[in-house]
This record gives sequence, structure tokens and C-alpha cells, in this order.
Amino acid sequence: QKEVEQNSGPLSVPEGAIASLNCTYSDRVSQSFFWYRQYSGKSPELIMSIYSNGDKEDGRFTAQLNKASQYVSLLIRDSQPSDSATYLCAPLRGNSGYALNFGKGTSLLVTP
Amino acid sequence: NAGVMQNPRHLVRRRGQEARLRCSPMKGHSHVYWYRQLPEEGLKFMVYLQKENIIDESGMPKERFSAEFPKEGPSILRIQQVVRGDSAAYFCASSHNGGRASLNEQFFGPGTRLTVL
Repeated sequence: QKEVEQNSGPLSVPEGAIASLNCTYSDRVSQSFFWYRQYSGKSPELIMSIYSNGDKEDGRFTAQLNKASQYVSLLIRDSQPSDSATYLCAPLRGNSGYALNFGKGTSLLVTP
Repeated sequence: NAGVMQNPRHLVRRRGQEARLRCSPMKGHSHVYWYRQLPEEGLKFMVYLQKENIIDESGMPKERFSAEFPKEGPSILRIQQVVRGDSAAYFCASSHNGGRASLNEQFFGPGTRLTVL
């Protein structure tokens, strides 16, 4: 079982729609969770962090966390073509607390 | 520019040469992390350092790779006797809080693309 699983996509949504990105993780001790966006050839950019069960909203982004189900998701409302990128789910390792454990990412394509 | 800085942005080496990658953390950050992204692979943790200390090097290959973060100056990731399999993007990240802090937001630099011929 992979430590962090994401659907590789591509996930294609029309402009203005809601994009839903999902992530499951195997480390039950993880307490902090992060979503990064990475454009092709660029570095990861932090867009959301969450460490309590429930929802956290920031602008067009909402992160959802369910530790019992070991599930994290990211919703992007009013998707724009500029949101087209790879989205990386990254739990902070539970046993060390130091390193991010990245999934391979979901490729999102927002079509005009 | 208050962001994480890395140089060089691109580095070409021949097999057997040494590669030195530099990282200056964001202002006010004293925790530095190195990650490697191989082609078609996810980002993998390599090493976590604070000033003058290696805290966690569990992701570093045992041979040829070393890292330091001296009291003065940038963090250095050093790869000796490079091989073609070392070709990858190497990213540095920094954070204000480190270790077991419940929230440890890591901000990434632009990366160094290493190509080994």
C-alpha cells in the first residue's frame, strides 16, 4: 500500500465548475496535512494547510480532513484555467514530524 | 526577495564529477529541508537540517550524498561522483517551526535541475 494515494488524473473540469481532489494516507499518526500546487517545471506552492477534522476554507479553496477515514480532500470553487496544474497532497510524517510525505499528485485541467 | 533561494537553477555535470547545490531559507526561517523529484516520480524527502545540525537524514542515500547548514551561509547539498540516476530536480524548503510542531508550513525554493551527462 502506497503511503499517500492520489488519483493521477487528468481530472478535467469546465471553467467555473468545482474541482474535487482526493487523497488517502496510511500513516495514522500524521497530524498535519498540506496541499501544494505545482505547475509544470516549477516548484511546489503551498495553497492550504489543515490539521483538525472538518473543513477549512480560504478563498476559492476548501480543505477537508477526516482522520478516522485517513482522507483529505481539496475543493476548488469557480475553477479557472490558471488552476490547471498538478495538486500534491502532503501529510506531515507522524513518526518524525519533520518531513512531508508527498503523493504523486493529481493533474487538473480546467477547460475554458 | 524574501522567498527561499536556490542556486544554481540548472547544473550540468559529467559522470564522476561533484555537484554542489545551495539553498538560502526565507528570512526568519531556521529549518531547511531537501527534497528530490525524479522524472515521473513524486517528491521524496532527503534531509532536514537546522543551523549546524542534521536533524533527520533518513531519506538521504548512504553513499555520495551529504548536506550541511553552517552557522553562516546557505545550506549545501553535495553529491560526489555523480551518476546518471542522480539527474533530477532538487528542491529546498524552509519553515519557521520545525520538528513536531502541529503546523509546520514548508515553503519551497525554485529548485535546482541537475543533469548528469
